[in-house]
Amino acid sequence: EVQLVESGGGLVQPGGSLRLSCVASGFSLSSYWMNWVRQAPGKGPEWVANIKQDGSEKNYVDSVKGRFTISRDNSKNSLSLQMNSLRVEDTAVYYCARDHTGGSSQYNWFDPWGQGTLVTVSS
Amino acid sequence: DFVLTQSPDFLAVSLGERATINCKSSQSVLYSSNNKNYLAWYQQKPGQPPKLLIYWASTRESGVPDRFSGSGSGTDFTLTISILQAEDVAVYYCQQYYDIPLTFGGGTKVEIK
Repeated sequence: EVQLVESGGGLVQPGGSLRLSCVASGFSLSSYWMNWVRQAPGKGPEWVANIKQDGSEKNYVDSVKGRFTISRDNSKNSLSLQMNSLRVEDTAVYYCARDHTGGSSQYNWFDPWGQGTLVTVSS
Repeated sequence: DFVLTQSPDFLAVSLGERATINCKSSQSVLYSSNNKNYLAWYQQKPGQPPKLLIYWASTRESGVPDRFSGSGSGTDFTLTISILQAEDVAVYYCQQYYDIPLTFGGGTKVEIK
C-alpha cells in the first residue's frame, strides 16, 4: 500500500523552529517529485514547496522563501521540511504529497497525500 | 501568481440531483504545445487530506465514480457530480499546475438539501 506518514508537528513560539518529516512506504521516493502542502484552519490548501527526485531543484511559495528548506533522503525514503523564523500565520496542518505520475516536471498535481501534522505557532 | 476563484462557496443539492462547481483561473492554464489544461480537482472530507478526483481538467482518477466529471478549457472549468449521493458531502477544490507557485481555489462546500 502506498502511504505517506508525517511527523514533527507541535506548538512553537513565534520566531521558533520546527522540523517536519515524512516517511514513504509502498513506493520508491526517488522516482517522484515531492511536495509540502499546508492548510490553515478553515482554509483551502496552500502549496509550500517541492523538490526534484535527486534534490537538485527546489521551489517555494514566496511567503516561506528564506525561512523554510525542503530536503530529502532517498536512502531512507524520507522527506523533510525545516521551518525557521516561524510566524503565527504559518499555523496549519502540513501535508506531505507525492507527484502523481513520477515524471520530470515540477508542475505537479498531488496523489497520494499523508494524513498531515499540525503546526501551531503561538505565544 | 495564478488565482483560482471557485463558485459558489456553498452548494446545497438534493440527493440524486446534479451539483455543479465552477473554477475560474486568472490566466489560461491551457498549454498550447500539448493542448492540455493543467488543472486538477480534489474532494476533502472533514479530518481527511484532499483526495484526487480529476486531472488534466477532465481525466478521472482510477477508482473515482463516473458520476464525477470535469470539463472546461483555458480559464473556465466545471466539476459536475451528476447524481449526488450522501457520501459526496465534502469540500471540493480546484488546483492549477501550469506554473509555480502551484495554487488552489478557495473551495466549494457541498451539502445535502
